[in-house]
Amino acid sequence: QVQLVESGGGVVQPGKSLRLSCTASGFTFNTYGMHWVRQAPGKGLEWVAVISYDGSEKYYADSVKGRFTISRDNPKNTLYLQMNSLRAEDTAVYYCAKDGYYYDSGNLGFHDYWGQGTLVTVSS
Amino acid sequence: EIVMTQSPATLSVSPGERATLSCRASQSVRSHLAWYQQKPGQAPRLLIYGASTRATGIPARFSGSGSGTEFTLTISSLQSEDFAVYFCQHYNNWPPYAFGQGTKVEIK
Repeated sequence: QVQLVESGGGVVQPGKSLRLSCTASGFTFNTYGMHWVRQAPGKGLEWVAVISYDGSEKYYADSVKGRFTISRDNPKNTLYLQMNSLRAEDTAVYYCAKDGYYYDSGNLGFHDYWGQGTLVTVSS
Repeated sequence: EIVMTQSPATLSVSPGERATLSCRASQSVRSHLAWYQQKPGQAPRLLIYGASTRATGIPARFSGSGSGTEFTLTISSLQSEDFAVYFCQHYNNWPPYAFGQGTKVEIK
């Protein structure tokens, strides 16, 4: 069965950095795109970033562009989110999510499996 | 940028009744529309993709319809485990992949 396990969350001061990880199992990791989606406390869902199956394509929400970097290590079945210049408004639960399209579709879209999330709190 | 608007914000329904949730896109997203269910303290779960295709393991009481800018999620007979928040999301003309603000289905 598909499993996604996030780690790396915690409390960090404004302006500092943090790196999240997501370890995948139960599917062929290097044949699917992967996403990060976040949810501020008591709020809705906000898509953050997506990376294609081979890492050649990366896209970001405007709110994090230039500060966050998505990457993946396919031999390690691991997705990353490097978060720099963190702000109070980045406080949220961060979920990694598997894309629903197989790589040969040439598309990236909905999220068919999600991790349990990791909480990032940006506070002085 | 496409904006997704869900209505109503809260829906009060009795167990066994039908629930109808709406999602509107600010421009056409064709059939590139997904629905997710989220219970308190849990990650979202995919219910519907392609506007009307149920995800693996999703009961038949959940159905999706619509295309273009107007979409509907119908729960034919609400069970106790269906009381949750539901989000729609488009995946057309990305990025970004915008979510609606959510509809909370609560017990009447």
